Amino acid sequence: NAGVTQTPKFQVLKTGQSMTLQCAQDMNHNSMYWYRQDPGMGLRLIYYSASEGTTDKGEVPNGYNVSRLNKREFSLRLESAAPSQTSVYFCASVANFYEQYFGPGTRLTVT
Amino acid sequence: KQEVTQIPAALSVPEGENLVLNCSFTDSAIYNLQWFRQDPGKGLTSLLLIQSSQREQTSGRLNASLDKSSGRSTLYIAASQPGDSATYLCASGGSYIPTFGRGTSLIVHP
Repeated sequence: NAGVTQTPKFQVLKTGQSMTLQCAQDMNHNSMYWYRQDPGMGLRLIYYSASEGTTDKGEVPNGYNVSRLNKREFSLRLESAAPSQTSVYFCASVANFYEQYFGPGTRLTVT
Repeated sequence: KQEVTQIPAALSVPEGENLVLNCSFTDSAIYNLQWFRQDPGKGLTSLLLIQSSQREQTSGRLNASLDKSSGRSTLYIAASQPGDSATYLCASGGSYIPTFGRGTSLIVHP
């Protein structure tokens, strides 16, 4: 049982490049979330998907887009990366009672 | 807007001590309160979830309590061990945007 998986684990981008972060869960959960974690700022919600086919903005959505491809997969896209998007990105899958299960994270550096 | 505060920010204790980590929140209309552990460079591991209708949850040496009226949750760790060294985060959750505290960095030295 893999739980929540994220790819890639590490990525270095140049300013202006684009990339997609992938997240998949095998727990049959309806809801999935994307967070970023920055020193001194804690974890902040970027986007969430309450169910397949729906997505909503979180606290810090600017510069990102998401796709809920199916029940298992929720991707996060940076169309034109900026140094301010250097962060660690976590995907979470949400069970009953809004219990969150996290993936291992993607460490992104934008130069 | 919900705000979650964790005190202390850092804690260093000798092995064997019982310790309490604190989490306070400003909006008592929470659905749940979840405690996580994060090891350096790793993801978050769920420790305990307390639903709003519950007062506490226990798992092994860990006990978490919730007092919605005072806006507080505590994580009690009994007989601490060096392997407990990590950052502990709490988060209020529900149908709105989850809010995380900034964590308590715990070091348990032998």
